[in-house]
Formats: sequence, structure tokens, C-alpha cells
Amino acid sequence: RKEVEQDPGPFNVPEGATVAFNCTYSNSASQSFFWYRQDCRKEPKLLMSVYSSGNEDGRFTAQLNRASQYISLLIRDSKLSDSATYLCVVNPYNTDKLIFGTGTRLQVFP
Amino acid sequence: DTGVSQDPRHKITKRGQNVTFRCDPISEHNRLYWYRQTLGQGPEFLTYFQNEAQLEKSRLLSDRFSAERPKGSFSTLEIQRTEQGDSAMYLCASESNYGYTFGSGTRLTVV
Repeated sequence: RKEVEQDPGPFNVPEGATVAFNCTYSNSASQSFFWYRQDCRKEPKLLMSVYSSGNEDGRFTAQLNRASQYISLLIRDSKLSDSATYLCVVNPYNTDKLIFGTGTRLQVFP
Repeated sequence: DTGVSQDPRHKITKRGQNVTFRCDPISEHNRLYWYRQTLGQGPEFLTYFQNEAQLEKSRLLSDRFSAERPKGSFSTLEIQRTEQGDSAMYLCASESNYGYTFGSGTRLTVV
């Protein structure tokens, strides 16, 4: 089983739609969680950290469920510029490295 | 430019040749990471440094791979006797208390 699992998509949604991505992780002792965004042939960039209480940044909302080992990202009012791959990322306990999921590809169309 | 710089951006090499990549992290970032990313996959951890000390190496890092960070500043990743399976994007990242910053990567193609 992969340490971080995501649905690879692609998710094709119209502008203005709400879309949700899910991710599960296998190491229950994982300590930090993130969503990264990666544009085609570019480096990953931090979108947002994910906290147990849930957190929001504009149109983006991230949730963490430690009991179910599940992380989600909700994007409201999708824009064409949101088209990218969204990587679910976990920092396991007692290590400084990050474990990336395979990414979920989002395509927003007009 | 105060970001993470990687050189070269692209490298095409023949199988069996050695290649070396360079990463210049953001100054004063103590930690430096190397990741590898193949098509359709997320980045996979290879190794990382705290200043000049190499603290962890992935099992992905075979004995053909070696990384150094001699003065705790820039780092190099060398691949000896390249194989076609080494074709990938090699990403460097440096870390501060505020998180990772990735460089643009070096895309390696082994022919």
C-alpha cells in the first residue's frame, strides 16, 4: 500500500464549480500535512498546510481527519487558473522528509 | 533571484555516462533535499542535508548515486553509469521554518 494515496483524476469541471479532492495516508503517526500545487512541467509549490481544526484560504478549504487518516481539499468557484495537479503531502513522524501522493489533476474549462 | 537555483535545467546523456547536477539553496536555509519525479508520479525523496551533514538516504538512492553538500551551501547530485530508468526530473528543495521551496528542477533524459 502506498503511504499517500490520491485519485489521479483528471477532474474536468466548468468554471464556477466546486470540486473536492481526497487523500488517505497509511502512517497514523504522521505529524504534518500539506497540499501542494504543481503546474505542468513546473516545480511543486505549497498551496496550504492542513490543520486538525480545518483551515480556509480564500476559495480553498482543507480538512484533516486523523481518526480516518484522511485529508481533503475543497475548491469553490473554480477558475481557469486553478487547472493544475494537486499533490497531497504528508510529513511522517520523526523524519524531516515529505511523502507525496501521485497528485490529482484538475482541468477547469470555460 | 533569491529562490532555489538548479543547474542545468535539462540534460540529455547517453546510457553509461556520468552526470552531475547542482543546487543552490536559499541562503541561510540549513536543510536541503533532493527528490526525483517521474511522469505521472509525485516527487520521491532521495536524500537530505542539514548543513553539510547528509542525514538520510532513501533506498531509491542506489550506489550509483552520490550527493554532497561540502560547505553547507550548494549541493551536487551525481549519477554514475546512467541507465534509462534514471530519466526523471530531479528536484532540489531548501527548507526554513516556513516550509519547503523547490527549485525548477533538472530534467534528465538518458538515451
